[in-house]
Amino acid sequence: DVKVTQSSRYLVKRTGEKVFLECVQDMDHENMFWYRQDPGLGLRLIYFSYDVKMKEKGDIPEGYSVSREKKERFSLILESASTNQTSMYLCASSLSGGGSADTQYFGPGTRLTVL
Amino acid sequence: LAKTTQPISMDSYEGQEVNITCSHNNIATNDYITWYQQFPSQGPRFIIQGYKTKVTNEVASLFIPADRKSSTLSLPRVSLSDTAVYYCLVGGYSNYQLIWGAGTKLIIKP
Repeated sequence: DVKVTQSSRYLVKRTGEKVFLECVQDMDHENMFWYRQDPGLGLRLIYFSYDVKMKEKGDIPEGYSVSREKKERFSLILESASTNQTSMYLCASSLSGGGSADTQYFGPGTRLTVL
Repeated sequence: LAKTTQPISMDSYEGQEVNITCSHNNIATNDYITWYQQFPSQGPRFIIQGYKTKVTNEVASLFIPADRKSSTLSLPRVSLSDTAVYYCLVGGYSNYQLIWGAGTKLIIKP
């Protein structure tokens, strides 16, 4: 079974703090994704990576950066957290070469609150 | 880019068949339609995928008409455990353009 784990289920940070969200997958998947999920808006793609050290902007990359130094790990970084970044953050992974139609396996999510 | 539209919420009763429709008027030739299910406090998980006509697996069926401008997820004989949010996703195997619907919250009543 594919397992995608996220470092925290709940996180509370203050405005202006630097925030790291970690995601690890154990199935040797090439592709990894970061989404944020807000009521009524569904899933919005922040960044994705199709290989180590490779990254591509998604639909809402502003205010975020990512890092992928190892194949199994994909980190989302909020350089200076703001209250409008309060949200549920979901990480996902998929096999290589499958594009956006390939099955994505999701982690349980991190609910981030920025005060 | 295709835009996906789905009902915000639906409710039904145990034992009924439930159909959730997703509209994707500008779907590209190479795009597939994929449905995911999400329970509270969990990430979405894959249910079914199709390109055209009908696809069936042990969990659901997916109906896609010839013009592919919409798709219908069909859940046969639902139970309380089918209460979840259902997302449709339009995307191709040759690109990373992910067009997610906003999700349909399905509530099954006893």
